[in-house]
Order: sequence, then structure tokens, then C-alpha cells
Amino acid sequence: EAGVAQSPRYKIIEKRQSVAFWCNPISGHATLYWYQQILGQGPKLLIQFQNNGVVDDSQLPKDRFSAERLKGVDSTLKIQPAKLEDSAVYLCASSLMTDTGELFFGEGSRLTVL
Amino acid sequence: RKEVEQDPGPFNVPEGATVAFNCTYSNSASQSFFWYRQDCRKEPKLLMSVYSSGNEDGRFTAQLNRASQYISLLIRDSKLSDSATYLCVVNDNQGGKLIFGQGTELSVKP
Repeated sequence: EAGVAQSPRYKIIEKRQSVAFWCNPISGHATLYWYQQILGQGPKLLIQFQNNGVVDDSQLPKDRFSAERLKGVDSTLKIQPAKLEDSAVYLCASSLMTDTGELFFGEGSRLTVL
Repeated sequence: RKEVEQDPGPFNVPEGATVAFNCTYSNSASQSFFWYRQDCRKEPKLLMSVYSSGNEDGRFTAQLNRASQYISLLIRDSKLSDSATYLCVVNDNQGGKLIFGQGTELSVKP
């Protein structure tokens, strides 16, 4: 069974530029999450989708971050404009149900903002 | 107070040692608890769920103390391959939101 796919794996941009990350969850998984993991910290939830509806985006900096999940499958996370403090690994995860603790993560997209 | 707090470590132990990690959570309404493992520069993966009665999986034992809002993970007979960061995870029961602790780094030395 294919896992969670993410791209790009690495991205280097200058501050104030924009970037987009893509995620394809495991087939059949209704719930999709985007987490931000800064070096030395645990993953922080940015946004959670159930099918194509948003369940939680309370920690998403909406002035610069946006995310969508069209047709309840693939998702994109965009940052515009990027700041230095956005340097992190952006992890996409999916799960079959919301009441299970088993999230399947992709390998992540590592962003460096110069 | 952070929602989920862990001792960041690092814990440096010799092979064969027993090591314990602790985690506290702030939301008394939380119902589900988990330990994830994250290898260096890799994605987190579920290690085990934590049940009220405690549970064991080989060399790993997880325990929950609801009164103290405290979770623990015990690793017996440590192996070199156990070297990783261990993340405490709590389901806040609001739409299935999983909150991660900062992780505890373990380094097992020969």
C-alpha cells in the first residue's frame, strides 16, 4: 500500500517569497493533517481536514498560510510571504478516522527561508 | 502551561539499560494517549497506544495516571536501535486533534 506522498522534499527560498507544498494521503483516508515541525520541537498542528472540510485551523497563521483540500483527496499548503521563522519541516499526515491515534506521516517537506 | 510537556533529554544510556520517559498533559478531558517514535530526519511513527490499565509490547511498557495527568514509557534492555526521539501525543477530544509533546531524545551507546 502506498504511503503518504509529499513534494517537494526540500525547498530553499528567500524571505517574502512564496512556496507551496503538496500532499497525497493514503487512499481512503478521510482525515488529513498538516503539521509544522521546527528543529528540536514536536510537530505542531496547522490544519486538519475531514474529507474536504476544515475541522481545525486554530493554529494556522492565516495572514500568510493557506491550505486547501480539493475533492477530499490531495492537499496543498501555501506560505506567502515567507518569514525566517517559517523554516521548518512541513509534515502531512492522514488517518482513516479521527478517533484513532494512528497517523501516517509523509517524509515531510523541509523549508529553509533565507 | 504547555498542553503536553516532556523532558527533552537527551537521555544517554548504555545498551541493556532500562530508561523511563515522562509526559504530563494539561487537558483533564483528554481520553486518548499515544507514544510515537521519530528517527533522526525521519517522520514520526506510532509506537504504541496508552491504555488506562497500562499496556506492554515486548520491551516497551506504557502507563497512564489520569489523576496526575501523567503518561510514562518504559524501555527495558535498551538496544542501539532504540536511539530516537520519543513523542508523547494526546488526543484533546475536539475533533480528534492530536497534540504532540516536544519529544525526548534517547541515545543508546554500546
